[in-house]
Amino acid sequence: LAKTTQPISMDSYEGQEVNITCSHNNIATNDYITWYQQFPSQGPRFIIQGYKTKVTNEVASLFIPADRKSSTLSLPRVSLSDTAVYYCLVGVPLGSARQLTFGSGTQLTVLP
Amino acid sequence: DSGVTQTPKHLITATGQRVTLRCSPRSGDLSVYWYQQSLDQGLQFLIQYYNGEERAKGNILERFSAQQFPDLHSELNLSSLELGDSALYFCASSVAGVHNNEQFFGPGTRLTVL
Repeated sequence: LAKTTQPISMDSYEGQEVNITCSHNNIATNDYITWYQQFPSQGPRFIIQGYKTKVTNEVASLFIPADRKSSTLSLPRVSLSDTAVYYCLVGVPLGSARQLTFGSGTQLTVLP
Repeated sequence: DSGVTQTPKHLITATGQRVTLRCSPRSGDLSVYWYQQSLDQGLQFLIQYYNGEERAKGNILERFSAQQFPDLHSELNLSSLELGDSALYFCASSVAGVHNNEQFFGPGTRLTVL
């Protein structure tokens, strides 16, 4: 059974770069990989999305290898306010259809 | 503020009952998604509607149903409620119906089944 897996937790210090990897070994062929941030008692918030290679926006970068079986979210110079849970979201084949699947989430704690 | 609204914010009910959760998408968004978030199951995709029609179905129980109305708001109906249905239910919307468009999430409805 294909799974979308992430590390359960990560700690970092302010100002450091943080890399969170998601393994999605059964991603649907045409699906993008999307990352979300979630604070307690709030809905997830979109961070970045990509299909292959590297994507960068004003808050993060996303690295996707050629086989697309994993992706790495990179947060440059984290601050205390980046403490949150980070999720990857991919579509996986389910028979003739596709099903959206969230990773298990990575709790990032940024320390002063 | 994502622009997606959900009502009610909190709902407390008893086992065996039926409830309806409501979602209004962002202006201009045609797709609505429903998710369930519980401590032991994480974020689970339930169902997606695009412009009034069901587009994709995830781990949605037969006791649950949803629809999207002509004004694009959506309702999630949960019936014969069980203790295990207690969770946060999120609605999200996006412009198009293709998976993994940037989705905008509402604040959620917290359902407690006693």
